[in-house]
Amino acid sequence: GENVEQHPSTLSVQEGDSAVIKCTYSDSASNYFPWYKQELGKGPQLIIDIRSNVGEKKDQRIAVTLNKTAKHFSLHITETQPEDSAVYFCAARAFSGGYNKLIFGAGTRLAVHP
Amino acid sequence: NAGVTQTPKFRVLKTGQSMTLLCAQDMNHEYMYWYRQDPGMGLRLIHYSVGEGTTAKGEVPDGYNVSRLKKQNFLLGLESAAPSQTSVYFCASSYSGGGNNEQFFGPGTRLTVL
Repeated sequence: GENVEQHPSTLSVQEGDSAVIKCTYSDSASNYFPWYKQELGKGPQLIIDIRSNVGEKKDQRIAVTLNKTAKHFSLHITETQPEDSAVYFCAARAFSGGYNKLIFGAGTRLAVHP
Repeated sequence: NAGVTQTPKFRVLKTGQSMTLLCAQDMNHEYMYWYRQDPGMGLRLIHYSVGEGTTAKGEVPDGYNVSRLKKQNFLLGLESAAPSQTSVYFCASSYSGGGNNEQFFGPGTRLTVL
């Protein structure tokens, strides 16, 4: 079935450094790739997404890149701040059972140290 | 708008007991989802609904049942709880399943089965 792999599982950076999280997906028909941020004790929240007809998208300090040929996409956070500390999930939309569903990666726990 | 709400927030069950988790959304969304979140495994889809009166199986449906009698509510039932169902459960909703429709998540229910 459809699968999304996410690396690394944990990431520790110093405040001001950059952080990169990478995901690969298996379904070549996937065309939508959102990233979610989950803070402690809360549900995941969408922070950025990208469609398959776009190679890169930026929103202030965060950016996502997509390589459809290689079937991988990445989240880049620049000038990290302590409030960026959270668990980040990538996802890919798959068409299965007649409906679109999101397949999530296992998550990356990001710690930003002051 | 309250968004997506879940009740209860915490619950402890004994093996064999039953319970129902309630999810409510006030955004008039058609699609609703139930996920479970386990360490190192990300979010896995249990069941979902594409509209009032409809339900469908996700990745890990065994041991769970769902109902969508009203558009705004999506109930997840455990008929005979097992320790393997100890997890954090998230409900989500989206306007539809296509396009770039964002899934909005509730705050989660932490369930422990002894």
